[in-house]
Amino acid sequence: NAGVTQTPKFRVLKTGQSMTLLCAQDMNHEYMYWYRQDPGMGLRLIHYSVGEGTTAKGEVPDGYNVSRLKKQNFLLGLESAAPSQTSVYFCASSFPSPRDRGLSSYNEQFFGPGTRLTVL
Amino acid sequence: GNSVTQMEGPVTLSEEAFLTINCTYTATGYPSLFWYVQYPGEGLQLLLKATKADDKGSNKGFEATYRKETTSFHLEKGSVQVSDSAVYFCARGTGGGNKLTFGTGTQLKVEL
Repeated sequence: NAGVTQTPKFRVLKTGQSMTLLCAQDMNHEYMYWYRQDPGMGLRLIHYSVGEGTTAKGEVPDGYNVSRLKKQNFLLGLESAAPSQTSVYFCASSFPSPRDRGLSSYNEQFFGPGTRLTVL
Repeated sequence: GNSVTQMEGPVTLSEEAFLTINCTYTATGYPSLFWYVQYPGEGLQLLLKATKADDKGSNKGFEATYRKETTSFHLEKGSVQVSDSAVYFCARGTGGGNKLTFGTGTQLKVEL
């Protein structure tokens, strides 16, 4: 199993350009997530999805859109890139948590290797 | 709201030294708690987890105990190695969707 893969690994954009980051997982996970990692700020959730065809906003959704047309893929789009979106982007996936069935525990999220994006 | 606070780095230790990285969480409910590790140029990997009070998670010589009374989940290792050099993230479960809230990360550098 490849786990969680991300394409591309690196990308440089000019301000105003658009691009799509692709995340794929082969673990049959229902849930998928997009994070950005910035120095001193840890990981912040951009958007997430609890199933094919559904998406929801996370902590920092502005300037990003997502789509989950297939269970195994989760796409992150930047319609008009800004220098503030220079970051390392991580995709993750997981099984539903017991918490979502009324219990109290959470499941592990599995992470991809990241995409380093620079916006000039 | 739900948050996680962990000690700032970088932490520099000599090989075989004792490691503690502090982590505290806001006491909203009884969330699962996690430690993830990120090696240079890689994504995050789960190091250990605990799901309820007094649980101890352990892996690769690392340990952390879920302390409800102090809302803490400190990471410890008795004897660090150069290969432990990485960034360590504390995290807690947050709301629906199996979401996690992460601390800011603590960079550990182990020298010979």
